[in-house]
Amino acid sequence: GAVVSQHPSWVICKSGTSVKIECRSLDFQATTMFWYRQFPKQSLMLMATSNEGSKATYEQGVEKDKFLINHASLTLSTLTVTSAHPEDSSFYICSPRRSDEQYFGPGTRLTVT
Amino acid sequence: DAKTTQPPSMDCAEGRAANLPCNHSTISGNEYVYWYRQIHSQGPQYIIHGLKNNETNEMASLIITEDRKSSTLILPHATLRDTAVYYCIVIRSGSARQLTFGSGTQLTVLP
Repeated sequence: GAVVSQHPSWVICKSGTSVKIECRSLDFQATTMFWYRQFPKQSLMLMATSNEGSKATYEQGVEKDKFLINHASLTLSTLTVTSAHPEDSSFYICSPRRSDEQYFGPGTRLTVT
Repeated sequence: DAKTTQPPSMDCAEGRAANLPCNHSTISGNEYVYWYRQIHSQGPQYIIHGLKNNETNEMASLIITEDRKSSTLILPHATLRDTAVYYCIVIRSGSARQLTFGSGTQLTVLP
């Protein structure tokens, strides 16, 4: 159990365009969703936390108008990177939470050219 | 949540046991020790967790010292596929907080 999928697994986009990343919990319902990003040779850094049906809470330094998070259902959350720039190139990982357990998606590699 | 300290890197010969240490000297009584690993370009993978007793599962063993100030993750027979960054995380049971990742230990299993 506790299967998490992310789509796409990798994406290349041009600077100024927007990219949507989907995260699905395939066999459980997630009351909370965490989104992390990871730059090369660095650790995972929390970007935001969202609860189903509520607005996301963003960590300091993360622009809420740039990284739009939608958690409309207990099995689907999306992260949209708007007006992407090369410095947004990173590995984005979703992490749904069920009860006390936190699970992780396989990640999405975003490259902005 | 208590802070953890891990060595930045370790090597291990294939087939030998890999022992990864973690220091968490400020751990509280209701905080668990969790271990995750991240193979390159993948999401973190849960390995094992414990409170104060030693734990074993199909992946690894977790040895927690009696004073709980440190722990060791043991991979009994390391393979090349175990090459990854290993994270030791301390978090309170029932906490609504997210897992916070430090810099971890890069384990390289050598052929």
